Amino acid sequence: RKEVEQDPGPFNVPEGATVAFNCTYSNSASQSFFWYRQDCRKEPKLLMSVYSSGNEDGRFTAQLNRASQYISLLIRDSKLSDSATYLCVAYTNAGKSTFGDGTTLTVKP
Amino acid sequence: NAGVTQTPKFRVLKTGQSMTLLCAQDMNHEYMYWYRQDPGMGLRLIHYSVGEGTTAKGEVPDGYNVSRLKKQNFLLGLESAAPSQTSVYFCASSYSGPLEQYFGPGTRLTVT
Repeated sequence: RKEVEQDPGPFNVPEGATVAFNCTYSNSASQSFFWYRQDCRKEPKLLMSVYSSGNEDGRFTAQLNRASQYISLLIRDSKLSDSATYLCVAYTNAGKSTFGDGTTLTVKP
Repeated sequence: NAGVTQTPKFRVLKTGQSMTLLCAQDMNHEYMYWYRQDPGMGLRLIHYSVGEGTTAKGEVPDGYNVSRLKKQNFLLGLESAAPSQTSVYFCASSYSGPLEQYFGPGTRLTVT
């Protein structure tokens, strides 16, 4: 079993839809969590950090549930420009990072 | 500020050849990482470094070696390339461990 597992996707949604991705982690030493966005054949870029108290940035909301060991990303009012692959990552305090395989989102007109 | 740069951008190797990938960052970051990404998959950590002169193994270290002689550079070496090492290699750096990583543009390596 992989240490970080994501919804396999792909997700195909119409513009304006709300879509949610989940990511589970199995390493209890994981301390920090982030969501990255990766466009085709490009480097990943940070989308947002994930906190237990939740983190909202415009149309994006990230949440961490330590008890159940999962993180989530909610995108409201999807735009065509949101089409990308979304990667979750878990870090231990020792600096080791583990990425999920990514979930591909396609937003259609 | 160039951020994180990687050299080369593309490379084709024959089986058994060796090469070194260079990652450089100008942000004075302590931590640096090497990942590989295969088609349709996420990033897999090869090796990482928590500071100058230190290195540690990641998830898929076999067949690779690294060195961090200078804080701003992190080198990834392939001593004897194999077709299974065909991949896109990303370097990243962060100010400290569990913080945002900044990625380089990637090196596309093909081993025939």
